[in-house]
Amino acid sequence: GQQLNQSPQSMFIQEGEDVSMNCTSSSIFNTWLWYKQDPGEGPVLLIALYKAGELTSNGRLTAQFGITRKDSFLNISASIPSDVGIYFCAGQRSYGNKLVFGAGTILRVKS
Amino acid sequence: DTGVSQDPRHKITKRGQNVTFRCDPISEHNRLYWYRQTLGQGPEFLTYFQNEAQLEKSRLLSDRFSAERPKGSFSTLEIQRTEQGDSAMYLCASSLVAVWEQFFGPGTRLTVL
Repeated sequence: GQQLNQSPQSMFIQEGEDVSMNCTSSSIFNTWLWYKQDPGEGPVLLIALYKAGELTSNGRLTAQFGITRKDSFLNISASIPSDVGIYFCAGQRSYGNKLVFGAGTILRVKS
Repeated sequence: DTGVSQDPRHKITKRGQNVTFRCDPISEHNRLYWYRQTLGQGPEFLTYFQNEAQLEKSRLLSDRFSAERPKGSFSTLEIQRTEQGDSAMYLCASSLVAVWEQFFGPGTRLTVL
């Protein structure tokens, strides 16, 4: 079963608002990755984090790797309708190893 | 398109039938992964290959499931005697050995009636 806890489970926000979601684990991961999945499609990689404490941006997205290596968060600034989808965090213990996913955060945006 | 490709995209089968899915990884990616995703959940790891060697299998991969990557390029995932509980999205991902990022294909949606 899932080992990562994502929150919130879903969000319904106004276009233009900032969004925050996070992911926690009971065990340590050495990499955190954030993916977005649209209905009927595979997950698309958004951001990868490699070091504890690291803060990384990709356009309107900002993600941080928690200092304890047991958590990560993702922020989306100035949300737009195309941000709709399911966001997954994934942890990895060593490179090339399997990913462990959270259950996802569903983002719905009011236009 | 140089991304991961999967075929078919959708498969509907009757319980008890065998099905086979194919995954073509990104060219030169030597690691290939299979995940399964059920509704409302994140993907769950099934198995992975480095070149043609199958290096790890999850407990989710019952003896009805078999995966191969005979020449270290494309891979197949076969499910024998399908059950309704096998209905899910089967995702394939690929990566290079010495990097963290995995890139996913569009998935194969399996429905077992």
